[in-house]
Amino acid sequence: DTAVSQTPKYLVTQMGNDKSIKCEQNLGHDTMYWYKQDSKKFLKIMFSYNNKELIINETVPNRFSPKSPDKAHLNLHINSLELGDSAVYFCASSQGTSGVSLAKNIQYFGAGTRLSVL
Amino acid sequence: AQSVTQPDIHITVSEGASLELRCNYSYGATPYLFWYVQSPGQGLQLLLKYFSGDTLVQGIKGFEAEFKRSQSSFNLRKPSVHWSDAAEYFCAVVSGGSYIPTFGRGTSLIVHP
Repeated sequence: DTAVSQTPKYLVTQMGNDKSIKCEQNLGHDTMYWYKQDSKKFLKIMFSYNNKELIINETVPNRFSPKSPDKAHLNLHINSLELGDSAVYFCASSQGTSGVSLAKNIQYFGAGTRLSVL
Repeated sequence: AQSVTQPDIHITVSEGASLELRCNYSYGATPYLFWYVQSPGQGLQLLLKYFSGDTLVQGIKGFEAEFKRSQSSFNLRKPSVHWSDAAEYFCAVVSGGSYIPTFGRGTSLIVHP
């Protein structure tokens, strides 16, 4: 069984559309993340949720809205897609619920969703 | 703020040769350090980590890394590279009360037969 699964794997869409990416983890972890990897392979944190609560929200446009219906799921909805949103989006999860334990946490990544905005 | 530098964008080695991938971090105290590998079309997978104690850490797939405080480095090594090691390698650091890792830009490893 895949520990962290994302769907879809590929997403091709037109500018201005709204799209969602889903993420599920079956590891029993408390914390989930969304990362964006740009064309130069830089990985940047976007959001982090702990037990369905938003705890990290980096400087991401408000067109991006994460939703966590339960601690095993963290979905990413993107409104009014722009060309610059084209990237690979990774979901990840880790165990631990507080500072030190989280800092030592190994992050488990999904396989990524390659978003292409035309 | 923590930062990570991977000075080599690409490294090319022959199969069977030894490998060293460089990673330097910027932070005053001892950080938590990680190496992840990303195979084509896949997410990142942890190779090894350093929190404290023995500065030479062993990881999966025959990799090891050495923490050198004096050089602010955490270089990844493997004595004999296999073709299946071709991938993107990321160094990451967590420090200063944050729990979100900062990733380096990655080093792409190319393995020649």
